[in-house]
Amino acid sequence: AQSVTQPDIHITVSEGASLELRCNYSYGATPYLFWYVQSPGQGLQLLLKYFSGDTLVQGIKGFEAEFKRSQSSFNLRKPSVHWSDAAEYFCAVGYSGGGADGLTFGKGTHLIIQP
Amino acid sequence: EADIYQTPRYLVIGTGKKITLECSQTMGHDKMYWYQQDPGMELHLIHYSYGVNSTEKGDLSSESTVSRIRTEHFPLTLESARPSHTSQYLCASSDRGGPYGYTFGSGTRLTVV
Repeated sequence: AQSVTQPDIHITVSEGASLELRCNYSYGATPYLFWYVQSPGQGLQLLLKYFSGDTLVQGIKGFEAEFKRSQSSFNLRKPSVHWSDAAEYFCAVGYSGGGADGLTFGKGTHLIIQP
Repeated sequence: EADIYQTPRYLVIGTGKKITLECSQTMGHDKMYWYQQDPGMELHLIHYSYGVNSTEKGDLSSESTVSRIRTEHFPLTLESARPSHTSQYLCASSDRGGPYGYTFGSGTRLTVV
């Protein structure tokens, strides 16, 4: 079964600084990879996704992520964070065929923005 | 704009009560999903549906049940709520299926006292 690891439970970044959130997955074939953001009391909003092709993916709100097959990673980056980026970020992996048709999510990284 | 709606947003209810969490979507998606999310924990798939009259259990065992009588509607029911059911419940839908990503509702935060 596939799994997703987000090693950082909490990350604190100063406003205007760069950000990188880590995500590692465990799955044999090429997965479908996603980053979602969840603001307090809200559902999840899709930031970006990777299915195939260019390994650097651009998303909404200035985020990007890079798929590195050799490292089984899909890290999320943003060059300059804003206070409004404070939220919970979830990495997820999906695959086609077999078993329950759902995404597997990591436990999330809580992003705190310092003024 | 949210095209998938969950009601209520917050619910506090006593032990033993029957509850139904509503989820509706206006996108015509065939596939719909329920996830359970505990604080600080990942989301766990508890139910999914591929279309009308189709329901399946997900990876996490749940005492809840679901129905899919109409494409746009996927309610979740707990016959007898218990404090262990306290959690956030997120509904999602997809046009191509889970591996291709979802649209999520805003969630229902359930507290059973």
